[in-house]
Amino acid sequence: SQTIHQWPATLVQPVGSPLSLECTVEGTSNPNLYWYRQAAGRGLQLLFYSVGIGQISSEVPQNLSASRPQDRQFILSSKKLLLSDSGFYLCAWSVTGGADTQYFGPGTRLTVL
Amino acid sequence: GNSVTQMEGPVTLSEEAFLTINCTYTATGYPSLFWYVQYPGEGLQLLLKATKADDKGSNKGFEATYRKETTSFHLEKGSVQVSDSAVYFCALSRTGTASKLTFGTGTRLQVTL
Repeated sequence: SQTIHQWPATLVQPVGSPLSLECTVEGTSNPNLYWYRQAAGRGLQLLFYSVGIGQISSEVPQNLSASRPQDRQFILSSKKLLLSDSGFYLCAWSVTGGADTQYFGPGTRLTVL
Repeated sequence: GNSVTQMEGPVTLSEEAFLTINCTYTATGYPSLFWYVQYPGEGLQLLLKATKADDKGSNKGFEATYRKETTSFHLEKGSVQVSDSAVYFCALSRTGTASKLTFGTGTRLQVTL
């Protein structure tokens, strides 16, 4: 069966510090991968998605970037965090080729102080 | 563009009460529709889905019917339990190179004894 992991689970970082969140998927090959952010009391916003190694699409302009160095690894980064980057970050995967159900990881709660 | 509108919460019900959470959507073409559930401190779990008009998705006693004529996908359960307390998200999928989910803002359900 497929599983998706995210770490760390929680993170408290000062403004201006760098960020690296990691997501890995097991039990499937060539998945589509996604990063979402959920701000407090709000819905989910798609930040990035990837259909293959090294292929990243950004949905909204922002202070963050994403990379996919391996087939089942998706990384969310920032060089300098802003207060507005605080939120709950969710990674998700779906099957390549039109299947539309996405499966979510447990999330990372980021607090920028 | 595509959008999803959910009824505002929180919704507070007594155990064994009937639940309805309204969801309407705006989309081009024929999207797939989803309900996801988020328990406190966790990621999202797929609750149910429907891929075409008049389809009914069901799981764990929850049901939702894809109504194209009213562009709706209301979530219902005949008898809620305390363990159903969570945030419920309605979403639609824009299938293409990668499926992209558009989420509603979520509805918090609180079930009391």
